[in-house]
Amino acid sequence: DGGITQSPKYLFRKEGQNVTLSCEQNLNHDAMYWYRQDPGQGLRLIYYSQIVNDFQKGDIAEGYSVSREKKESFPLTVTSAQKNPTAFYLCASGQGAVETQYFGPGTRLLVL
Amino acid sequence: DQQVKQNSPSLSVQEGRISILNCDYTNSMFDYFLWYKKYPAEGPTFLISISSIKDKNEDGRFTVFLNKSAKHLSLHIVPSQPGDSAVYFCAASARAGGTSYGKLTFGQGTILTVHP
Repeated sequence: DGGITQSPKYLFRKEGQNVTLSCEQNLNHDAMYWYRQDPGQGLRLIYYSQIVNDFQKGDIAEGYSVSREKKESFPLTVTSAQKNPTAFYLCASGQGAVETQYFGPGTRLLVL
Repeated sequence: DQQVKQNSPSLSVQEGRISILNCDYTNSMFDYFLWYKKYPAEGPTFLISISSIKDKNEDGRFTVFLNKSAKHLSLHIVPSQPGDSAVYFCAASARAGGTSYGKLTFGQGTILTVHP
């Protein structure tokens, strides 16, 4: 059945380490998005991609990087430059000009 | 700069009564609004949306009202059920030149608790 999968569910990062969060969708959506959720805050947009091989910075892109080599995949790398990476990360996809986005189950990133 | 605000962090209602969740926005370019529901440790799920050309949209127990002049929208849940207990996010989108880029701006969320 169609949907968005994120892995892993929990991820631990050591100081100075880069980690990559996976996001895969089989909804055939063109657009994909990465958000970060912190306690008491809404979802903040990190990066988004409207089409394969193209992506744009969101509101809080510093310390993160993405790639979009395939339509169904949009991995997010949290680099060592991100000084406060502990958060709940959500991936979403949507179809073109339709604003409704469909979310994956999320990955919780913790720093050791 | 918080362009979408949900000023009530939490709301508690009795089962069977009405739940009213509020959302304010400041960006006059926003013309499409959505409500999402989120359970702990899960991704948000889409509930209902409304375009700025309407002032009301209804789907079963859920109704969204939009007051453009006040830049305010609200979600009504009638009757409320214990299973509605979750965090509710409102979100807004701005269309430019007739083409939506699908970018959403979210509010902080309101925790709804429905007591049996």
